Amino acid sequence: GENVEQHPSTLSVQEGDSAVIKCTYSDSASNYFPWYKQELGKGPQLIIDIRSNVGEKKDQRIAVTLNKTAKHFSLHITETQPEDSAVYFCAASKGGDYKLSFGAGTTVTVRA
Amino acid sequence: DAGVIQSPRHEVTEMGQEVTLRCKPISGHDYLFWYRQTMMRGLELLIYFNNNVPIDDSGMPEDRFSAKMPNASFSTLKIQPSEPRDSAVYFCASSPRVNTGELFFGEGSRLTVL
Repeated sequence: GENVEQHPSTLSVQEGDSAVIKCTYSDSASNYFPWYKQELGKGPQLIIDIRSNVGEKKDQRIAVTLNKTAKHFSLHITETQPEDSAVYFCAASKGGDYKLSFGAGTTVTVRA
Repeated sequence: DAGVIQSPRHEVTEMGQEVTLRCKPISGHDYLFWYRQTMMRGLELLIYFNNNVPIDDSGMPEDRFSAKMPNASFSTLKIQPSEPRDSAVYFCASSPRVNTGELFFGEGSRLTVL
């Protein structure tokens, strides 16, 4: 099955700086890559996703890049704010297959 | 919409007891998922349903676990008998018929088995 590895496990950044989280996947058939944000005591919430026919996608301060050849994708958060502090999960799945494989998560702390 | 609703939010029980977790998906969503989250194993898919029919239960850890979806607005995850290693946060999620890929998670049920 699909194996998704995520790094780093923890990330501390100064408010206003950028944060980058990287993930690799093992199954070359995977073509859907979402990112979820989980706040304390809440369920994960989708923040951005990318499909394999696109190399980059941006939504305000967050962006995701995908390198299919290398089988890795990354989340970029610019101008970080305290409300960005949370656990972020990357995931991968094949089109039409709802079985998302999640990474282990990255705890992001934004220091004021 | 109220989102995915799970109950109970917290459950503390003793080893050997039966535990039933409940989920109400978002109206109109045809897919329902049960995930388990632990520090050691992260987010694991246990089972998912399409139109109330179980599609893949390969993630269900043991026969002690069972899940049902009697109708489009209700699902249960049952553990009988419960064991301390079942302690985790159990999430229910739903997804619409159109293959957007997005899962809408509930707030989870935190289970502690003593």
